[in-house]
Amino acid sequence: GAVVSQHPSRVICKSGTSVKIECRSLDFQATTMFWYRQFPKQSLMLMATSNEGSKATYEQGVEKDKFLINHASLTLSTLTVTSAHPEDSSFYICSASVGGDTQYFGPGTRLTVL
Amino acid sequence: KNQVEQSPQSLIILEGKNCTLQCNYTVSPFSNLRWYKQDTGRGPVSLTIMTFSENTKSNGRYTATLDADTKQSSLHITASQLSDSASYICVVSAGSGTASKLTFGTGTRLQVTL
Repeated sequence: GAVVSQHPSRVICKSGTSVKIECRSLDFQATTMFWYRQFPKQSLMLMATSNEGSKATYEQGVEKDKFLINHASLTLSTLTVTSAHPEDSSFYICSASVGGDTQYFGPGTRLTVL
Repeated sequence: KNQVEQSPQSLIILEGKNCTLQCNYTVSPFSNLRWYKQDTGRGPVSLTIMTFSENTKSNGRYTATLDADTKQSSLHITASQLSDSASYICVVSAGSGTASKLTFGTGTRLQVTL
């Protein structure tokens, strides 16, 4: 149980394009979803927290207009990297929670911006 | 500022040997501590979770300890296998429920060789 999927697992795009990453809780309803970014050899850094039906809460230093988060249902959240640039290349991981502090992590999405 | 420090940064051991990874934290108010295993290019997978009152928790060949007085935790891996090669991340939760915040360590990269 408590499986979280992400799609796509890997994406390569040209600079200036937008990329959408999906995060789904497959066998449970997630009241809260989290988006993390992980650079090589570094730990996960929280980007934003989103609750179903409401606006996401972004961490300090994360541009909300660049990283658009939509949490339209209890099983789906999307992260759109708008006008991506090479410095946005990273490993993006989502997690989902049912209300407590236990987070179930997705397998991650590797974004490479050329 | 909440912090989680892990040591060593990386470790290479022979298959079959044991190893111990360390985690020191300054997180308040402490809720629980988790150890995760993260394979390269994958999301973190939970190994153990310990609350304030728990001193040790086992999951197969993984045994975690917690000393809440000294704010230290360790993860001991017994009879290592090649598949244990991964990053091991110590994550400490502050607060509770929806108000909880996770602080991630930078991880220990373990490589198990023949």
